[in-house]
This record gives sequence, structure tokens and C-alpha cells, in this order.
Amino acid sequence: EVQLVQSGAEVKKPGESLKISCKGSGYRVTRFWIGWVRQMPGKGLEWMGIIYPGDSDTRYSPSFQGQVTISADKSISTAYLQWDSLEASDTAFYYCATVDGPGDSADSWGQGTLVTVSS
Amino acid sequence: QSVLTQPPSASGTPGQRVTISCSGSSSNIGNNYVYWYQQLPGTAPKLLIYRDNQRPSGVPDRFSGSKSGTSASLAISGLRSEDEADYYCAAWDDSLSGVLFGGGTKLTVL
Repeated sequence: EVQLVQSGAEVKKPGESLKISCKGSGYRVTRFWIGWVRQMPGKGLEWMGIIYPGDSDTRYSPSFQGQVTISADKSISTAYLQWDSLEASDTAFYYCATVDGPGDSADSWGQGTLVTVSS
Repeated sequence: QSVLTQPPSASGTPGQRVTISCSGSSSNIGNNYVYWYQQLPGTAPKLLIYRDNQRPSGVPDRFSGSKSGTSASLAISGLRSEDEADYYCAAWDDSLSGVLFGGGTKLTVL
């Protein structure tokens, strides 16, 4: 069974850095890309980008290019989403999900990580 | 960021059939597969329909998807109280080179 387990909730101050994780199991690490999706409080889903853990090929949504960094460690089947300097507007749930590849959408989803940025 | 167009709300009584529409363009729905997700309150989205009209194992056949041109629909028959949730459509967009989501439809079971 494909399973994605995300790291726990985070509370940060504006200007701080953060890296959250998404660990996959139940499949060969080279089988899927991993996508990241943002959901701000009370709002809809927004696509942030995808990464292929096999070779770290990464594609960002224009809205998130330069705002976050998506990375992966193939050896431990884990993908990451990173901020260098958080803003209050980054407060949201962040979900990772498996994706067959560019051209497809999300399949299996992680449970989500709540990031709260507040002074 | 552009979105696919969904009605913000829909409703029905138990046992009824409801449909939720999703409108896009030639760069997304018109040229790529449509996916549908169900998000129950306080939980992560769950895949309901993939590749326009395919159901993952475990999804009841009360849920069905269809597509015509640049529009798609999700139909739910035999509506049940546990179907009360937010529903999102999604499709890859060739111009964006990423996935576009619909704004979401809140389904209420009266």
C-alpha cells in the first residue's frame, strides 16, 4: 500500500526558516514523482510543484518559483519543502502527494502539515 | 493563479443524484486528464476519479466522472450524508506546466 507520512505541525516566527518532510513507503522510490499542494485557511488547493526523487528533476508552479525550495533524498524515500524566510502569509496546510509524472495530477496524499507563522 | 471553474456550492437530499461541473480550456481539460478529489472536514484530499472517469479501488460506483471538450462533471448517485464534503476538480495545464485545481464545491446533504 502506498503511504506518505508528513512531518508534524510547526509554529514559526516571521523571518525564520523551515523544512518539512514527506516520507514515502509501499512503492519503489523511482515509481512516482512527489507533488506539493498548499491549502490556506478556509481556501482551496494550490499546486506548488513536483519533484522526481530518482534524479531530483523539479518543476515549480510560477506562483511559487523562488518562494520555496523542493528537494528529495532518494536514499530515504523522502521529499522536502523548504522556506528560507517565512511570512505570515505562508500559514497553511501543506500536503504532499504521489504523481505519475508531468501531465498527471495527485494520486495518494499525505496527511498534511500545518505551518503557522505568527509573531 | 488561474483556476478551473466550479460552482461554489451544491446540495441534494439523501438518495438523490447530484452533479458538479468543472470548466476549463484547451490547455488543461481539453488536452489532459481530469481528476476529482473529495475533502472531508479536517482531512486531507482523497482521490475519487482519475483520468477522466476511472475510479480507484475502494471508491463506490456511486461516484462517476465524465468529460466533454473543455468541461467535466462529477456525478454522485444515491446521495448519502457522509458525502457531505468539499469536491475539487484538477487537470494538468500545458501553459502553466503544472496542475490547476478548481475552486472547490461544497456539497451539502439536506
